[in-house]
Amino acid sequence: NAGVTQTPKFQVLKTGQSMTLQCAQDMNHNSMYWYRQDPGMGLRLIYYSASEGTTDKGEVPNGYNVSRLNKREFSLRLESAAPSQTSVYFCASTPRGREVGETQYFGPGTRLLVL
Amino acid sequence: AQSVSQHNHHVILSEAASLELGCNYSYGGTVNLFWYVQYPGQHLQLLLKYFSGDPLVKGIKGFEAEFIKSKFSFNLRKPSVQWSDTAEYFCAVSLMNRDDKIIFGKGTRLHILP
Repeated sequence: NAGVTQTPKFQVLKTGQSMTLQCAQDMNHNSMYWYRQDPGMGLRLIYYSASEGTTDKGEVPNGYNVSRLNKREFSLRLESAAPSQTSVYFCASTPRGREVGETQYFGPGTRLLVL
Repeated sequence: AQSVSQHNHHVILSEAASLELGCNYSYGGTVNLFWYVQYPGQHLQLLLKYFSGDPLVKGIKGFEAEFIKSKFSFNLRKPSVQWSDTAEYFCAVSLMNRDDKIIFGKGTRLHILP
């Protein structure tokens, strides 16, 4: 299994440009998440999807949209990028087995620079 | 609102020193507790977790953590650190009566001097 994969690994955008970050998992997990990681801020949840067909806002959803395309894929879209969105973005998934705890499996991250 | 506090933002130790990283959470219900580690240039990976049973849990690479319910704490320990332990460590809490969300602390950067 590849686990959680993310594309692209690196991206540079100009202010106002749009782009979509892709995430896929091959572990048949139900829940998927998008986080951003900024120095001194830890990981902050942007959006999550508890199951296929559902999405919910996290802590910092403004400026982002998501699509849970199917059980495997969960994309994050920036419609009009801003310099404040310069960050490292991580996708994660969980099997949704509360009885055994909810270990998150993370992708390798996408480094985004908005000029 | 629920939160996770990591007391130390940056810790510098020499090899063979003992380590304890503090973590406290604010939530009165049942929780699952985690420590994740992010080595330089890599993604986060699970170090250890607690969800029930013995409050002293052992993880990979000689790490352990103790859940003290009365103190809402889940501190990470290692008796003798190595240079390869240089990384950022994140405490996290998942709330058993909520959706599948995990709340992360802001992280502690650990730097081990050779």
